[in-house]
Amino acid sequence: EVQLVQSGAEVKKPGESLKISCKAYGYSFSTYWIGWVRQMPGKGLEWMGSIYPADSHTRYSPSFRGQVTISADKSITTAYLQWSSLKASDTAMYYCVRRITISGVVSHFDYWGQGTLVTASS
Amino acid sequence: DIVMTQSPDSLAVSLGERATINCKSSQSVLYDSNNKNYLSWYQQKPGQPPKLLIYWASTRESGVPDRFIGSESGTDFTLTISSLQAEDVAVYYCQQYYITPYTFGQGTKVEIK
Repeated sequence: EVQLVQSGAEVKKPGESLKISCKAYGYSFSTYWIGWVRQMPGKGLEWMGSIYPADSHTRYSPSFRGQVTISADKSITTAYLQWSSLKASDTAMYYCVRRITISGVVSHFDYWGQGTLVTASS
Repeated sequence: DIVMTQSPDSLAVSLGERATINCKSSQSVLYDSNNKNYLSWYQQKPGQPPKLLIYWASTRESGVPDRFIGSESGTDFTLTISSLQAEDVAVYYCQQYYITPYTFGQGTKVEIK
C-alpha cells in the first residue's frame, strides 16, 4: 500500500532553520516525482516544487525558488523540505505529494501525505 | 503561469440535488503525447489533506463514487456532483499539472442548503 508519512508539527522562531520529512512506503521511491504543496491558514493550495529521487533533479515554483530547498535520500525513501531562515509568513501546512507515471508518461498527483504544520512565531 | 479560475467561490445545494463547479484555465493544458487534458479535481475536508477525485479532466480515481463527474470543453472544465450527499461538504480544487508551476484554482466551498 502506498503511503506518504510526514514528520510532526514544528514550532520555530523566525530566523531559525527547519527540515521536515516525508517517508514513502509501498512503491519504487526513486522513479516517481515527489513534490511539496503549501496551504497557508484558511487559504488555497500552492505547488512549491518537486524532486525526482533517482537523479535528484528538482523543479521549483518561481515563488519558492531560493526560499526553500527540496531534497531526497533514496536509501531511506524520504523526501525533505528545508528552510535556512524561517519567516513568520512561512506558517502553514505543508503536504508532500507523489506524481504518478502511467504507461511511461508522467501524469497527475495521486497520493498525499497527512501534512506537517509549521508555525514560525516569536 | 497558467491561471486556474474557479466559479463560484461557494455554493449551497440541497441534499440529493446537483452541484456544479466550473474551472477555466488561462491556456491549454492538453498534453500532446496522450491527448489528455492535464487537469485534476480534489476534495478537501477540514483537517484533512486533499483527496484526488478526477484526473485527465474526466477519469474518476479508483474508489471515488460515480456521482462525481468531470467534463471538459477546450479550456473549460466542470466537476458535477450529481446527487449531493452530506459527506460531500468540502472545498473542491481544480489543478493543472501540464506545465510548471503547477497551479490550483482558488477553491469552491460546497455546503448543504
